[in-house]
Amino acid sequence: DVKVTQSSRYLVKRTGEKVFLECVQDMDHENMFWYRQDPGLGLRLIYFSYDVKMKEKGDIPEGYSVSREKKERFSLILESASTNQTSMYLCASSYQDRTYEQYFGPGTRLTVT
Amino acid sequence: GDSVTQMEGPVTLSEEAFLTINCTYTATGYPSLFWYVQYPGEGLQLLLKATKADDKGSNKGFEATYRKETTSFHLEKGSVQVSDSAVYFCALSHPGYNKLIFGAGTRLAVHP
Repeated sequence: DVKVTQSSRYLVKRTGEKVFLECVQDMDHENMFWYRQDPGLGLRLIYFSYDVKMKEKGDIPEGYSVSREKKERFSLILESASTNQTSMYLCASSYQDRTYEQYFGPGTRLTVT
Repeated sequence: GDSVTQMEGPVTLSEEAFLTINCTYTATGYPSLFWYVQYPGEGLQLLLKATKADDKGSNKGFEATYRKETTSFHLEKGSVQVSDSAVYFCALSHPGYNKLIFGAGTRLAVHP
């Protein structure tokens, strides 16, 4: 079974803090994705990566950055957390030629106070 | 730009009832269409897909038919179970394009 794990299920941070969300997949997938999930808005793509050290902006990259130093690991960084970044963050991965079949982690619920 | 619209939830049904969750899309060209499901406390997982007009995707008793003339991909199940309680997301993607576009999700609650 494909497994996508995220470093925390729940996280509470203060405004202005630097926040790291980690994601690890064990299926040697080329693609990895970060989404945020908000009620009534569904999933919105923040960033994705199609290879080590390669990244592309998604629909809402402002206020976020990412890092992919190893194939299995994809990190989302909030340089200076703000209250409007309170959300559920979902990581996903897929094979390069099957982007539609994404495997998701359980999510990290981040609260910024 | 491309978009997906789903019926608002929650949808509340009794066990063994018939389920329909509506999904319509706006897209250029010929996208592929998907239903994902998110069970409580878990990540999303692919439920079924259809890649061209009139295709029917099916899995675990769920079905959806790709209707290009009405730009729809409604999810149906003949007899729901309590274990089907989850959030259902309709999504589209263009072949060769590294992106899924999701609808807002529809929460289904099935009670005994």
